Amino acid sequence: GDSVTQMEGPVTLSEEAFLTINCTYTATGYPSLFWYVQYPGEGLQLLLKATKADDKGSNKGFEATYRKETTSFHLEKGSVQVSDSAVYFCALEMNTGFQKLVFGTGTRLLVSP
Amino acid sequence: DGGITQSPKYLFRKEGQNVTLSCEQNLNHDAMYWYRQDPGQGLRLIYYSQIVNDFQKGDIAEGYSVSREKKESFPLTVTSAQKNPTAFYLCASSLQGARNQPQHFGDGTRLSIL
Repeated sequence: GDSVTQMEGPVTLSEEAFLTINCTYTATGYPSLFWYVQYPGEGLQLLLKATKADDKGSNKGFEATYRKETTSFHLEKGSVQVSDSAVYFCALEMNTGFQKLVFGTGTRLLVSP
Repeated sequence: DGGITQSPKYLFRKEGQNVTLSCEQNLNHDAMYWYRQDPGQGLRLIYYSQIVNDFQKGDIAEGYSVSREKKESFPLTVTSAQKNPTAFYLCASSLQGARNQPQHFGDGTRLSIL
């Protein structure tokens, strides 16, 4: 079935460092891809999305490009801040009759001053 | 502001007891969802509803029940048949039939066993 694989965490960085969180997927057809972020004690918020191959989603300095050839959707940010510390989830939307999301296991990011 | 409200934030259950988690949204969304979050396992879908008075089982529905009598409300009951209920429960909603639209999440309810 459809699935999402994320890199294990935690990812520990100093402020202003470059961030990459890897995400790869397995799916039939051409799913839409999402990154959600979860701050401590809260629900998930949509960070960015891409709906077709070669699309780039971007928001708040984060970017991810839908790579069909490598079935990947890696999250990047050029300069992280302490406030970016959170858990990041990669997800795909299955090609079913309703909007069902399949989530990765999440990657915790810790940014120190 | 529009959003999703889950209550309570923390809930404790005794053995053999049913408990109900509340989820209310004022986003005028037709579709609503319940997820369970366990450490290291991401989110798993329990139930979803695409329209009032209709709902479907997700991937891990055993031991849970839901109702959808109003568009705004989608309560989840954790029954005594759920043998491992300790988890973080998240409710979400989205526009019905609109692919690529984001799901909006509440802040969750953390359920623990006494």
